[in-house]
Amino acid sequence: EPEVTQTPSHQVTQMGQEVILRCVPISNHLYFYWYRQILGQKVEFLVSFYNNEISEKSEIFDDQFSVERPDGSNFTLKIRSTKLEDSAMYFCASSEAGARTGNTIYFGEGSWLTVV
Amino acid sequence: RKEVEQDPGPFNVPEGATVAFNCTYSNSASQSFFWYRQDCRKEPKLLMSVYSSGNEDGRFTAQLNRASQYISLLIRDSKLSDSATYLCVVSNPNTGNQFYFGTGTSLTVIP
Repeated sequence: EPEVTQTPSHQVTQMGQEVILRCVPISNHLYFYWYRQILGQKVEFLVSFYNNEISEKSEIFDDQFSVERPDGSNFTLKIRSTKLEDSAMYFCASSEAGARTGNTIYFGEGSWLTVV
Repeated sequence: RKEVEQDPGPFNVPEGATVAFNCTYSNSASQSFFWYRQDCRKEPKLLMSVYSSGNEDGRFTAQLNRASQYISLLIRDSKLSDSATYLCVVSNPNTGNQFYFGTGTSLTVIP
């Protein structure tokens, strides 16, 4: 069964450092997403990406964050100058079509980010 | 007002019991509805989509009430393996390409 893959599964970084989280969406999917979940809290939307550009972003996704599709398979989330409150599980997800069309999304196993 | 609201629980039920979760959504234009299951420190996994006429998948039944803007999930004959957090997810074509998640309802099935 096709799946979304993410690396690293866990990363510990010092406050102020930059982090890049990587994702390989399901190959025939066109929409990509990043969500995050702070421990014990709800899953929060960060950004959606379609046709090589950001489709939508939340208020969480400020200038500290950026996304990129550097090649035909990878989708990355960069977090600059990390803060303690960035510690969370970051989920990459993809869907064949967008939320507007009612498609379901499929999640990767997540990347745990711990900022110390 | 939150897009999606759920009773966080926890629900602690004995094996074999029937348990139901409700979820309300705020935007009447919402079009697509799902239940996801999330195990501790794992990714959400699609349990089932929710269709207007209601739908069933084995021991799981999902229903949609558009007039009252809620969806429900019924689990019959609970198994120990059903212990997880159940997430209500809604999408609204008018507000863009994101899926809105509830906080989740925690279920523990007790032997």
